[in-house]
Amino acid sequence: AQTVTQSQPEMSVQEAETVTLSCTYDTSENNYYLFWYKQPPSRQMILVIRQEAYKQQNATENRFSVNFQKAAKSFSLKISDSQLGDTAMYFCAFMKHNQAGTALIFGKGTTLSVSS
Amino acid sequence: DTGVSQDPRHKITKRGQNVTFRCDPISEHNRLYWYRQTLGQGPEFLTYFQNEAQLEKSRLLSDRFSAERPKGSFSTLEIQRTEQGDSAMYLCASSLVLSGSWETQYFGPGTRLLVL
Repeated sequence: AQTVTQSQPEMSVQEAETVTLSCTYDTSENNYYLFWYKQPPSRQMILVIRQEAYKQQNATENRFSVNFQKAAKSFSLKISDSQLGDTAMYFCAFMKHNQAGTALIFGKGTTLSVSS
Repeated sequence: DTGVSQDPRHKITKRGQNVTFRCDPISEHNRLYWYRQTLGQGPEFLTYFQNEAQLEKSRLLSDRFSAERPKGSFSTLEIQRTEQGDSAMYLCASSLVLSGSWETQYFGPGTRLLVL
């Protein structure tokens, strides 16, 4: 069975600074996908960034980038130039590569607070 | 594209009552997922549909839970004889999977259930 671990329940950062959220996972699969989702207070979950396991190049989306270390089964999220609107709970999620469909497996989340 | 919608957004019920939630996926999305999220935790998979067929159910989905997607569009999740332990946020997600592509799930705002 796959598991996802987010070891930082809470993080805080000042506006304009950089913060890194950590995520590790355990799987015996070789092909899979990894995601970071953002859930602002009382608002719906939004996809931040995604990564295919067979791609060595780290994914980037504007201020968001990942550090994907397949051998170490690590998938951290770096947020550059943090903004107040980045305040949210961040979930790391794993998905097996399965054409028949498969559920996301989530970590417990990291609550990020950005202050001015 | 109006996104995934869920109704109602909030539901308060008494123990033992039945409740039904509705999810409208993004138009043309062929997969629809239900997840449950308790306070401070990541979402946990309940069940999913490929078009109108229910293809997988989690062991979390007890006999009191039933889900349908009769025409391959909207879906309903019913909980019979609710228990206080059913109090949670129920999230719906949809995705469009085409041959050779990979899947991204888009989430609705959720239905928050409180069982008294």
